[in-house]
Amino acid sequence: AQTVTQSQPEMSVQEAETVTLSCTYDTSESDYYLFWYKQPPSRQMILVIRQEAYKQQNATENRFSVNFQKAAKAFSIKISDSQLGDAAMYFCAYRNYNTDKLIFGTGTRLQVFP
Amino acid sequence: EAGVAQSPRYKIIEKRQSVAFWCNPISGHATLYWYQQILGQGPKLLIQFQNNGVVDDSQLPKERFSAERLKGVDSTLKIQPAKLEDSAVYLCASSLRAAIPTIYFGEGSWLTVV
Repeated sequence: AQTVTQSQPEMSVQEAETVTLSCTYDTSESDYYLFWYKQPPSRQMILVIRQEAYKQQNATENRFSVNFQKAAKAFSIKISDSQLGDAAMYFCAYRNYNTDKLIFGTGTRLQVFP
Repeated sequence: EAGVAQSPRYKIIEKRQSVAFWCNPISGHATLYWYQQILGQGPKLLIQFQNNGVVDDSQLPKERFSAERLKGVDSTLKIQPAKLEDSAVYLCASSLRAAIPTIYFGEGSWLTVV
């Protein structure tokens, strides 16, 4: 069975600084997708960034970039120039290519200090 | 494009009562998911539909939870009778098809069982 692990329950960063959130996963599949979702207090899941396993190039979206290490089954997100609005829960998620099942980690609470 | 709609947003019930949540996915999205998110945890998949057929309901507590997807569009999740541990946010999500990896979430339905 696939699992997703986030070992950092909480992280904090100063505004304008950079922070990295970590995620590891376990799967025997070769084709899959990885995601980082942001969840503000409203509880709506907002997609931040997506990585296809078959792509070697790391995905980037504006201030957000990932470090995808397929062999190590590690998938971290780097948030550059952190803003107060980045404060939220961040969930790493794995999606099985064949079954569409989306599995989440336990989340990392990010605090941003002015 | 309209997003995933859920109702009600908030519900408070007494234990042993019943409750139903409704979800309207994004138009044309064949896959629909219901997740349960208990406070402090990541979302857990309860049931996944492909059109109006069930793909995965392995983590649905079937003795008290039921879900249906009428005509492959709207879906209803019911809990009867509710227990205190059912207090959670129930998230509905949808996706176009397996080849399109992004899953879109609704704002969630908050359930408190007292």
